[in-house]
Amino acid sequence: KAGVTQTPRYLIKTRGQQVTLSCSPISGHRSVSWYQQTPGQGLQFLFEYFSETQRNKGNFPGRFSGRQFSNSRSEMNVSTLELGDSALYLCASTAGQHTDTQYFGPGTRLTVL
Amino acid sequence: AQTVTQSQPEMSVQEAETVTLSCTYDTSESNYYLFWYKQPPSRQMILVIRQEAYKQQNATENRFSVNFQKAAKSFSLKISDSQLGDTAMYFCASRANFGNEKLTFGTGTRLTIIP
Repeated sequence: KAGVTQTPRYLIKTRGQQVTLSCSPISGHRSVSWYQQTPGQGLQFLFEYFSETQRNKGNFPGRFSGRQFSNSRSEMNVSTLELGDSALYLCASTAGQHTDTQYFGPGTRLTVL
Repeated sequence: AQTVTQSQPEMSVQEAETVTLSCTYDTSESNYYLFWYKQPPSRQMILVIRQEAYKQQNATENRFSVNFQKAAKSFSLKISDSQLGDTAMYFCASRANFGNEKLTFGTGTRLTIIP
């Protein structure tokens, strides 16, 4: 099976712009989770989608949003970018059963100038 | 709420030696899962090993094994016969059971294998 894929791999934006990141889970997986990784804050959970519904949400401002499509692909959107949004954004997928392990994609490196 | 603590920011060991990475956690959940993930310079997060809290037997995956002490809320990772490819950041993580996919990560331990 192909692994979790994320596009784009690298992105440079300026403050105030908005950005959309995409994640395609492993075939058959219905749950997609997003994480932000920064040197200062480490790995932080953003949100999780299961069958097109947001099931869990972390402590991030409303500028961070996401959605999931019927084919389980997920997008996250960050509006009004700030310098502090520069980070590696990781996506992970599972089949959605509570016994499952999350498998991660390679990440999208976002730089905000 | 769950918290995970890794008290060793950096470690180094000679190739072929054994190294143990420490992790402690706190959770109010009765059922939960614990994980060790490896993040090499490529930044790809790779699962190393996982442990179900209700299982008393320590998990083992080839050269990797854990020492799970539930009462002490300790979950250490032992790497035997270390190899150069083991050089990476290692993250300890916990996850509650029952439909909650959120992983709570520690701050990581940077492990360097010296040739």
